Amino acid sequence: AQSVTQLGSHVSVSEGALVLLRCNYSSSVPPYLFWYVQYPNQGLQLLLKYTTGATLVKGINGFEAEFKKSETSFHLTKPSAHMSDAAEYFCAVTQTGANNLFFGTGTRLTVIP
Amino acid sequence: EAGVAQSPRYKIIEKRQSVAFWCNPISGHATLYWYQQILGQGPKLLIQFQNNGVVDDSQLPKDRFSAERLKGVDSTLKIQPAKLEDSAVYLCASTLISTTEAFFGQGTRLTVV
Repeated sequence: AQSVTQLGSHVSVSEGALVLLRCNYSSSVPPYLFWYVQYPNQGLQLLLKYTTGATLVKGINGFEAEFKKSETSFHLTKPSAHMSDAAEYFCAVTQTGANNLFFGTGTRLTVIP
Repeated sequence: EAGVAQSPRYKIIEKRQSVAFWCNPISGHATLYWYQQILGQGPKLLIQFQNNGVVDDSQLPKDRFSAERLKGVDSTLKIQPAKLEDSAVYLCASTLISTTEAFFGQGTRLTVV
């Protein structure tokens, strides 16, 4: 069974501040991990993914995430928040050989000018 | 490259009525998914197709929901009869068989009154 827990349904940061969105996963097999972003009234857009190899993954718009097996975590970070980063962010997990995604409940990021 | 197309974007119906949603995946994507996203929650898989065959429909409420992908390209999701708790955004996504990156449509927002 797989699941994802996102800590903090709402996160607010000032423009230019560090963004940290937390994600912990549970998986009985090596996971594939994803971060998606959803803007209002839009579908989900892939930010980045971890499948195998390097544990620090860089994505679009300056975001990155680090897979930490010992902590079962895949937290999303960005050094400097921009107003355009305000959106809902979802962490998701799947397993090798499968494609269906199990999503967390999402974190709404607000960027304060 | 055209993205995943969904229609309609919005739909309001009364409970006990029926409704249908349409999805056209990215050309060449053999795998198609329907997800249900209830307000404040992450998307939840309803059904997964590979070509015109069902891979996983374990979370589909089969007493009222049905889906088909007759020619292995576009797909229709139907609800009959609708309940108030079916109010949600219905997202369609597609992938190539060999990849893990899912591309999402903009979704159909269903309101059942």
